[in-house]
Amino acid sequence: DTGVSQDPRHKITKRGQNVTFRCDPISEHNRLYWYRQTLGQGPEFLTYFQNEAQLEKSRLLSDRFSAERPKGSFSTLEIQRTEQGDSAMYLCASSRGQGMTRGTIYFGEGSWLTVV
Amino acid sequence: GIQVEQSPPDLILQEGANSTLRCNFSDSVNNLQWFHQNPWGQLINLFYIPSGTKQNGRLSATTVATERYSLLYISSSQTTDSGVYFCAVARAAGNKLTFGGGTRVLVKP
Repeated sequence: DTGVSQDPRHKITKRGQNVTFRCDPISEHNRLYWYRQTLGQGPEFLTYFQNEAQLEKSRLLSDRFSAERPKGSFSTLEIQRTEQGDSAMYLCASSRGQGMTRGTIYFGEGSWLTVV
Repeated sequence: GIQVEQSPPDLILQEGANSTLRCNFSDSVNNLQWFHQNPWGQLINLFYIPSGTKQNGRLSATTVATERYSLLYISSSQTTDSGVYFCAVARAAGNKLTFGGGTRVLVKP
C-alpha cells in the first residue's frame, strides 16, 4: 500500500496561467475524490469519480476547473486562467467504494497552489 | 447538505492532560471519520466510526448516531498530538465526506 500520491506538491503560478495537478490513488481503490482547503478551513468537496465516471461535481467547481480520470486510474485536475482566489491546497483522496472498508477515505499530502 | 460543527475550535493543553473533542452533525450518516492534520497538511485517518466505540492507543472515539454526535478522546496528550482534528461525515458509506471546521490543538511541553 503506497498511499495516495500527488504531484506537484507546490506550485506558484501567475494569474491567468493554467495549472494541472495529478493524483495517483491507492491501486485497488475505485473511488477518487478532489477537495480544496484554504487556510483555517476544513476541506471542501470538489468532485469525485467511480472508476472513470465523474459522478458528482460541487458548485465550487467553476467552468475554469476540469477533472479527468482516464481509464479509472490516475486523475488530473486542471485550473484554467487561474485567479488569486484559487490559491489553496488541493487534496486528492481515494477509497474502495465497496466492501466492509468502503467508507474509509485516504488522503494524499496535497498540492499547494499559490497564484501571484 | 449535512452541517458538521466541531467544538471547541481551539484547545491548549499541557502535556499529559486529557481532552475531549466533539462533533455534532445535522442528519443521519453512515460514514464518520476522524482525521488529524499535521503541520505539513497531511490528513491522517484516526478512526472510521459511524457508530459505536473504538480505541487506538491513547486515542478513542465514540459515535452516538441516534443523537448525531461523536466524541474523540485524547488521553495523556503529547506534543506530537498538536495539529488540527477534523470530523467528516457522509450519508452513505462510499460517498463524499463533509468536513467540520476542525479543532486546533496545541500541546505544550
